[in-house]
Amino acid sequence: NAGVTQTPKFQVLKTGQSMTLQCAQDMNHNSMYWYRQDPGMGLRLIYYSASEGTTDKGEVPNGYNVSRLNKREFSLRLESAAPSQTSVYFCASSRGQGPATNEKLFFGSGTQLSVL
Amino acid sequence: QKEVEQNSGPLSVPEGAIASLNCTYSDRGSQSFFWYRQYSGKSPELIMSIYSNGDKEDGRFTAQLNKASQYVSLLIRDSQPSDSATYLCAVDTGRRALTFGSGTRLQVQP
Repeated sequence: NAGVTQTPKFQVLKTGQSMTLQCAQDMNHNSMYWYRQDPGMGLRLIYYSASEGTTDKGEVPNGYNVSRLNKREFSLRLESAAPSQTSVYFCASSRGQGPATNEKLFFGSGTQLSVL
Repeated sequence: QKEVEQNSGPLSVPEGAIASLNCTYSDRGSQSFFWYRQYSGKSPELIMSIYSNGDKEDGRFTAQLNKASQYVSLLIRDSQPSDSATYLCAVDTGRRALTFGSGTRLQVQP
């Protein structure tokens, strides 16, 4: 049982390049999330998907787009990377249908992204 | 004022001692509170959740919630070097998802 799988684990981009972070979960969870973690800032929500076919903005959505491809997969796209997007990105999922304000989040292993 | 505040630490305790980690939050309507542990270079993992005022114990861990004073704490008894990690407090602030504090780094000295 793999849980939440993220790819890639590491990525270096030049300013202006684009890329997509992939995330898949095999727990039949309804909700999926993308967070970024910066030193001293904690985890901040970028986007979430409360169910297949729906996505909503979180706290820091600017510069990102997401796609809930199916129930298993939730991707995060940077169209034109900026140095301010250098961060560690975590995908997460939860069982319920809706924002996980009262249930456990399961996290992927993270993607360390550097934008030069 | 941040919605969820934690002292960044590091909090250093000797092996076998009690480690006390604190978290304050600003939204009086918050109902759900969580402690996540994050080892260096790893992803967060849930260790405790608490929803009602008072104490909740799970093994060596005790979560304490005081809604009137708007704080939640985590006590780790008989601290072990393997408890050395960053502990993230997460609170339901009524927004779209949990709001996380920036974490407290705990160092348990052998």
